[in-house]
Amino acid sequence: QKEVEQNSGPLSVPEGAIASLNCTYSDRVSQSFFWYRQYSGKSPELIMSIYSNGDKEDGRFTAQLNKASQYVSLLIRDSQPSDSATYLCAVNKDNYGQNFVFGPGTRLSVLP
Amino acid sequence: GVTQSPTHLIKTRGQQVTLRCSSQSGHNTVSWYQQALGQGPQFIFQYYREEENGRGNFPPRFSGLQFPNDSSELNVNALELDDSALYLCASSQKLGAGGYTFGSGTRLTVV
Repeated sequence: QKEVEQNSGPLSVPEGAIASLNCTYSDRVSQSFFWYRQYSGKSPELIMSIYSNGDKEDGRFTAQLNKASQYVSLLIRDSQPSDSATYLCAVNKDNYGQNFVFGPGTRLSVLP
Repeated sequence: GVTQSPTHLIKTRGQQVTLRCSSQSGHNTVSWYQQALGQGPQFIFQYYREEENGRGNFPPRFSGLQFPNDSSELNVNALELDDSALYLCASSQKLGAGGYTFGSGTRLTVV
């Protein structure tokens, strides 16, 4: 079992719809969780972090964490073509940083 | 921000390469990642206050340094074809914070 798993996609949604991206992780002691966006040929860009169970909202983005189910998700409301990118889920397994693990990423395509 | 050089590099199998990174000012933690095409970044190692602070599943021919001036290096010896990838440097203000700022990366091609 991989440490962090994501659907590879591509996930296609029409413009204006809600895009839902999912991530599961294997290590129960994981401490913190992050979503990065990566445009083709570019480096990852941090868009959301979440540390406790529940929802965290930032503009059109909502991160959801369920530690009991070892599941974290990212919702993008009112999706725009500019949201088309690969979304990487990352999990911090401790507070020292060297156990920071990325998932393979989900490619999102928002269709005009 | 975080700057990396060079942006692109072509090397021959068996050669050695040094990649450079300048961290964001005030960030004392730097991590290096390897990202193969279509995959997520894989952790190579992390430096904190000029000491290696953790290492991923990479052989010893991958080595690094961190300098007092917020810069760091990734050295790879005896290059193999599978080393072809995007190499990312990421810095953080606080050890273990996780909210890394990534540089634009160095695209290494080994032929």
